[in-house]
Amino acid sequence: EVQLVQSGAEVKKPGESLKISCKGSGYSFTSYWIGWVRQMPGKGLEWMGIIYPGDSDTRYSPSFQGQVTISADKSISTAYLQWSSLKASDTAMYYCARQGYSYSGVGYWGQGTLVTVSS
Amino acid sequence: QPVLTQSSSASASLGSSVKLTCTLSSGHSSYIIAWHQQQPGKAPRYLMKLEGSGSYNKGSGVPDRFSGSSSGADRYLTISNLQSEDEADYYCETWDSNTWVFGGGTKLTVL
Repeated sequence: EVQLVQSGAEVKKPGESLKISCKGSGYSFTSYWIGWVRQMPGKGLEWMGIIYPGDSDTRYSPSFQGQVTISADKSISTAYLQWSSLKASDTAMYYCARQGYSYSGVGYWGQGTLVTVSS
Repeated sequence: QPVLTQSSSASASLGSSVKLTCTLSSGHSSYIIAWHQQQPGKAPRYLMKLEGSGSYNKGSGVPDRFSGSSSGADRYLTISNLQSEDEADYYCETWDSNTWVFGGGTKLTVL
């Protein structure tokens, strides 16, 4: 069974750095794209970027390019989303998601990580 | 890159049926999409993959009440015998050149 387990909720101050994680299990971690999706309070889903853990090929949405960094450590089957300097506007729920088996878009979702940025 | 357009809201009565629409932008009418359900306070859940031919494949555990169909650039999600737990946001999504694209979502209210 494919599972994506994300790290817990975070409360941070503006200007702080943060790295959240998503651990994949039940499949070959290096063989499927895995990505991050933002959901701001009361809003829809926004694609941020994806990574192919097999070769670390990474693509970003233009809206998020330069704002976040996506990485993966295939030795521990874990993908990451990180910020170097958080803003209040980064407050949101962040979901990791994995490519489907017979569909190249999203086939599986993590449970979400709530990030709150407040002074 | 494709754009997916959804109505912002829909409503239907308990036990009835509802058909939600996702429209692909011009030049992208052949694209495969997926439907995802997000119940209040929960993570999204993959419902099905839907092709331009109308063929669909549902995810594990998705009830038979959920079905898909297509016509041209339109992709439909039909929910029959509506239950209270079907009250949720529904998103369509597609893939293009290693990017994921989401529609704006439809908020379904079960009356």
